[in-house]
Amino acid sequence: NAGVTQTPKFQVLKTGQSMTLQCAQDMNHEYMSWYRQDPGMGLRLIHYSVGAGITDQGEVPNGYNVSRSTTEDFPLRLLSAAPSQTSVYFCASSRSDRAPGELFFGEGSRLTVL
Amino acid sequence: DAKTTQPNSMESNEEEPVHLPCNHSTISGTDYIHWYRQLPSQGPEYVIHGLTSNVNNRMASLAIAEDRKSSTLILHRATLRDAAVYYCIHYAGNNRKLIWGLGTSLAVNP
Repeated sequence: NAGVTQTPKFQVLKTGQSMTLQCAQDMNHEYMSWYRQDPGMGLRLIHYSVGAGITDQGEVPNGYNVSRSTTEDFPLRLLSAAPSQTSVYFCASSRSDRAPGELFFGEGSRLTVL
Repeated sequence: DAKTTQPNSMESNEEEPVHLPCNHSTISGTDYIHWYRQLPSQGPEYVIHGLTSNVNNRMASLAIAEDRKSSTLILHRATLRDAAVYYCIHYAGNNRKLIWGLGTSLAVNP
């Protein structure tokens, strides 16, 4: 079972470049989310979605855009990368945000912005 | 926002039980308590969750205090593969913004 798949696993960007982190899940989950994890900060929620066409901001949304055109995919876009966005990014999904369901995480995408 | 408090680190010996504590004094009556763990260089993985009564699964047990302001994750026989950071998350059914703390880093000695 694929579960939650993130690509790429590693990426190096220069300041000002744009890129998209891909996230796909094959479990027909309604809820999808993006986190970033930095040393000493724990996981912080960037954006989340409760279904196709619905997105909302988390704790640290600035500098990131998301869209949810299908149930399966939830890409995270960095429009103009900054060194402060150097981090490990995790995508997670669950069956529903209204039930205390298990969150399934991807393996992470390590981004370095020079 | 839901807040939890956990010790920064704990240590255990292999094949001994481990009790990982968590305080969640701001919890409300409908908030579930979830535990996740994160092995090095991996995404977090679900361990267990509960609301009021104690819960068991093949990975661990969750003991929830009667006032629900604290809980304890119990690993019955620690193995080297249990060395990870364990997160206690205070999760409300209508709160879509899970707030993660720094967790407890568990070291398991052979």
